[in-house]
Amino acid sequence: EDQVTQSPEALRLQEGESSSLNCSYTVSGLRGLFWYRQDPGKGPEFLFTLYSAGEEKEKERLKATLTKKESFLHITAPKPEDSATYLCAVQETSGSRLTFGEGTQLTVNP
Amino acid sequence: DAGITQSPRYKITETGRQVTLMCHQTWSHSYMFWYRQDLGHGLRLIYYSAAADITDKGEVSDGYVVSRSKTENFPLTLESATRSQTSVYFCASWHTGELFFGEGSRLTVL
Repeated sequence: EDQVTQSPEALRLQEGESSSLNCSYTVSGLRGLFWYRQDPGKGPEFLFTLYSAGEEKEKERLKATLTKKESFLHITAPKPEDSATYLCAVQETSGSRLTFGEGTQLTVNP
Repeated sequence: DAGITQSPRYKITETGRQVTLMCHQTWSHSYMFWYRQDLGHGLRLIYYSAAADITDKGEVSDGYVVSRSKTENFPLTLESATRSQTSVYFCASWHTGELFFGEGSRLTVL
């Protein structure tokens, strides 16, 4: 059974204070690892897909990296508008569905 | 606007009543999904569909029924609502490596 664990559950940063969110996963075979952003009262919004260990993707202040057991979402010099819940999900090679972690709630204070 | 439309956005019902949550996509994506989101559990898969007339259970399907007579519609029915089904329900469709979510339906069962 696929398992996805995200840490920390909540993270509070000052504006400009860089940090990382962690996503540890267990799958029989990884087709893709996904990062989503979710704002309160909204559906998750796609950020990145990573397919193989060593892969990195960037978007504005966010950079996602992937190893064989975990993924990191690095946030560089965050702004208050980066405040959201960040969700990680995995898709195994044999299936079409995604298994999600519980998310990390990020708050960036001005 | 293109995308996933869910209705109703908010619903309050009583234990034992039947409730149907509607999901409509403006694309023609083959795969569609229903997730529920609860504090402490994250997003959990209820049902998914690979095409019209093809559906399959997810990890928390008990008490739910789906149908997919048309590619663009994927309604979720709670046949006899229970308090434990109080949750936020998200419909999603899958296309070219990305899962697109609707805005969610918040259901309260009294």
